Amino acid sequence: DGGITQSPKYLFRKEGQNVTLSCEQNLNHDAMYWYRQDPGQGLRLIYYSQIVNDFQKGDIAEGYSVSREKKESFPLTVTSAQKNPTAFYLCASSMGSLQPQHFGDGTRLSIL
Amino acid sequence: GQQLNQSPQSMFIQEGEDVSMNCTSSSIFNTWLWYKQEPGEGPVLLIALYKAGELTSNGRLTAQFGITRKDSFLNISASIPSDVGIYFCAGQGTIQGAQKLVFGQGTRLTINP
Repeated sequence: DGGITQSPKYLFRKEGQNVTLSCEQNLNHDAMYWYRQDPGQGLRLIYYSQIVNDFQKGDIAEGYSVSREKKESFPLTVTSAQKNPTAFYLCASSMGSLQPQHFGDGTRLSIL
Repeated sequence: GQQLNQSPQSMFIQEGEDVSMNCTSSSIFNTWLWYKQEPGEGPVLLIALYKAGELTSNGRLTAQFGITRKDSFLNISASIPSDVGIYFCAGQGTIQGAQKLVFGQGTRLTINP
C-alpha cells in the first residue's frame, strides 16, 4: 500500500537527550513536512522540504533539525535545545507545494 | 505563526442531526482543505476546494470555498457515530513569500447515539 509511515508510534526522551523521529513515504511525493500538535490546538509547521537536499524552517523550528538525503525520507531530530518537546508529531507529504498534504499516523513524544 | 479562526470549538449533537462548522481568515487563500482526525491518528483529507465559490460534496459531507476567498464551511448531514472526531480546516496560500498551509484549531464533534 502507498502511504506515509512514521515510527516509532510512541517515544520517550530523557532530559538532555536528542531523539530522531522517522518519516518514510512511498507516494513519490516531492514535498515533505513536519508538524507539531499540542492538545486542543491546530498543527504548527516545524520544517518543510520541497525537494531532496533542500529544506526550510517553518514557524517553530527552534530546537529541531531535519535532513532530506532521499526523496522518500525526512527524519526529524528533536534536540536537547527544545525545552518543551512533549507533543504529537505529524509528518506529511504532497506531490508539490500547491497540492493537498497527506499525513502519517504520528509519533507521540514524552519526556521521562 | 498565523492560524485560522475555526468555529465552533466543540459540538455535542444527537445522531441523525446535521452539523455545520466554518473557518475564517484575514488572509486570502488559493485552496481550502478539510481534514478529519481521530484519536492517536493523523488527519485524513476529506475535501479539497480550489476555486472561490466552489461547492463540493463527498458523500454526506459538503464544503464551500467562500467568494471572498477568506472563509470556508463544512456541513455534515444526517450524522452517524463514526463521524466523531476532530475536524480541521486548512487554508493554503502565499504567506511571507512562500506557499504555506495554515490550520484552524479544530472542531471536536461528539455524537450521542
